[in-house]
Amino acid sequence: AQKITQTQPGMFVQEKEAVTLDCTYDTSDPSYGLFWYKQPSSGEMIFLIYQGSYDQQNATEGRYSLNFQKARKSANLVISASQLGDSAMYFCAIFNQAGTALIFGKGTTLSVSS
Amino acid sequence: DTAVSQTPKYLVTQMGNDKSIKCEQNLGHDTMYWYKQDSKKFLKIMFSYNNKELIINETVPNRFSPKSPDKAHLNLHINSLELGDSAVYFCASSHEGTPGGYTFGSGTRLTVV
Repeated sequence: AQKITQTQPGMFVQEKEAVTLDCTYDTSDPSYGLFWYKQPSSGEMIFLIYQGSYDQQNATEGRYSLNFQKARKSANLVISASQLGDSAMYFCAIFNQAGTALIFGKGTTLSVSS
Repeated sequence: DTAVSQTPKYLVTQMGNDKSIKCEQNLGHDTMYWYKQDSKKFLKIMFSYNNKELIINETVPNRFSPKSPDKAHLNLHINSLELGDSAVYFCASSHEGTPGGYTFGSGTRLTVV
């Protein structure tokens, strides 16, 4: 069965520094996609970035990039030049085995300080 | 302009009551979902539904039932509410073949007292 593991309950970083949020996954599907979402304290879920398993390059979206290591089954999110507004909970997700719904990891709380 | 809208945003009710949460999306997506986020922030799929198929997570009690009057709406009905139902419920939608993931509503915080 598909599984997402986020081992960092909390991470702390100073403004303007880069931070990496870890995500490992387990799947038996040859083709799959990985997603990252941000949930600020206001509660909404914001889609950040997507990585397809057959994409030739690691995904990037502005200050967000994915360090995708297929052999290690990891898809770590890298946030460059952290901002105070990046303080939030971050979730990694993958489709379930049937492909009918995203399943999420337990999340990592990121705190950015000035 | 809101892509996925849920109402109400907050809902406080007594144990044993029946309540509904409404969800509407104006994105033309073909699939809608309900997720439950518990007090530890864990997000769990409850239902996924498109115009062909309803898929229910087997761990969801049958007190919960989704109702879809049309493609743009997926409401969540909860009967005989229990204290453990207190959570934030998120509606989401997606379109098959779109790699952008889901668009989520802003959530409904349900408190059962």
